[in-house]
Amino acid sequence: KNQVEQSPQSLIILEGKNCTLQCNYTVSPFSNLRWYKQDTGRGPVSLTIMTFSENTKSNGRYTATLDADTKQSSLHITASQLSDSASYICVVSEASGGGADGLTFGKGTHLIIQP
Amino acid sequence: DVKVTQSSRYLVKRTGEKVFLECVQDMDHENMFWYRQDPGLGLRLIYFSYDVKMKEKGDIPEGYSVSREKKERFSLILESASTNQTSMYLCASSLEGLLATDTQYFGPGTRLTVL
Repeated sequence: KNQVEQSPQSLIILEGKNCTLQCNYTVSPFSNLRWYKQDTGRGPVSLTIMTFSENTKSNGRYTATLDADTKQSSLHITASQLSDSASYICVVSEASGGGADGLTFGKGTHLIIQP
Repeated sequence: DVKVTQSSRYLVKRTGEKVFLECVQDMDHENMFWYRQDPGLGLRLIYFSYDVKMKEKGDIPEGYSVSREKKERFSLILESASTNQTSMYLCASSLEGLLATDTQYFGPGTRLTVL
């Protein structure tokens, strides 16, 4: 069964510090990996989408990495801001899955930025 | 910008009531999805639709039905609401399946409480 494991489950850091969130998956065959940010009480918003051939992708202060060999991804947040407080969800798409059943969601990492 | 709207942000219903959750997207997307999100469980797919009048069961369809009479609108129906259906319900849409660069756009969510 395809699985996506995220760690840590929750994280508290001080404003201005950097942090890294992890995502390990067993989905095969792999198509792409997405990171979403979900503010409390809101729907998830896409941060990045990475395909097999992409190792690193940045979106402002967010940098995602992908190692398709070890089936690991990370999301690095630089110079954190209070607005980064949110849940971060990793979603992996299966190559053969043409519909929504080809997506496997992680449970998310809950990040809190303290002033 | 893609906009996915949901009919209610908060809803309180009684056990046994029939509940309708409405979702509308304004970008002519082919695919629409309904998820529920519960603490510690992440997002779980209830139903999805890849075309008007077409629907596919997701991971947890029991107790739910859906309707897609128009391309822009996807309704989730709880035939007889139960307390274990208390949850956050998220609607999403995407353009054409879940190809390598496609992404899902989520609505703001409906927090349903069944008493």
